[in-house]
Amino acid sequence: ELKVEQNPLFLSMQEGKNYTIYCNYSTTSDRLYWYRQDPGKSLESLFVLLSNGAVKQEGRLMASLDTKARLSTLHITAAVHDLSATYFCAVGMDSSYKLIFGSGTRLLVRP
Amino acid sequence: DTGVSQNPRHKITKRGQNVTFRCDPISEHNRLYWYRQTLGQGPEFLTYFQNEAQLEKSRLLSDRFSAERPKGSFSTLEIQRTEQGDSAMYLCASSLELYEQYFGPGTRLTVT
Repeated sequence: ELKVEQNPLFLSMQEGKNYTIYCNYSTTSDRLYWYRQDPGKSLESLFVLLSNGAVKQEGRLMASLDTKARLSTLHITAAVHDLSATYFCAVGMDSSYKLIFGSGTRLLVRP
Repeated sequence: DTGVSQNPRHKITKRGQNVTFRCDPISEHNRLYWYRQTLGQGPEFLTYFQNEAQLEKSRLLSDRFSAERPKGSFSTLEIQRTEQGDSAMYLCASSLELYEQYFGPGTRLTVT
C-alpha cells in the first residue's frame, strides 16, 4: 500500500528565511503533486511533477522530484507572510487515478 | 467562474439522517473524484468516475455511501444513516486527463 510521509508537519519560520519541506513515498510512482490549502478553503494546485529530475518554480516556491529516491522537495526562498498555509504533497499510483496525500505541512511565516 | 463547484457548502444534520451532496466539475473534464478530509489530515480518496462509469471505490466507502454521475456530468454523493464519524469536509475534484486534479470548495458536513 502506498504511503506518503511529509516532514516537518509544522514549520514556523521568519520572513526572509529559506526552508525545505520533504515528501517521501513508499512505492513506485511517476506523478507527484503539490497543493496549498488555506484554513477553511479547498486545495490549490501548485506543481505537477511527472518525471525523474523534474524541477518547477513559481515565485518563491520550487519543487523537485527524485523518483529513484522516492522523494520530492518543496523549497521556500525568502519566505513572506502570504506563504502561510498548509502544503500537501500527493502521489498518483501507477495503476489508478486516485491521489494519495501526505498529512500536510502547516507553514507559519512570522514577521 | 468555470471551476469545480459544490453544493451545499455546509450541512448540519442529525445522526441517522440521510444527506446528499452535489458536485459540478469543470465542463470539459471527463474524470471526477470524491475525497474526504478530516481536521488536520490530508484528503482521502473515496471514489472516481470516468464519464458516467464509477471505476474505483475506496474501502472507506461503506455501504452507507453511494455516488452517482448520471450522464457523465454532475455527480452526487449520498450518505445514508449518518454517523458522527462522517463529520468531515467532502471534496470533489475533476480532471481532463490523468494528470492534474482541480478541487472544488468542498462541503463541510457536521453530524450532531
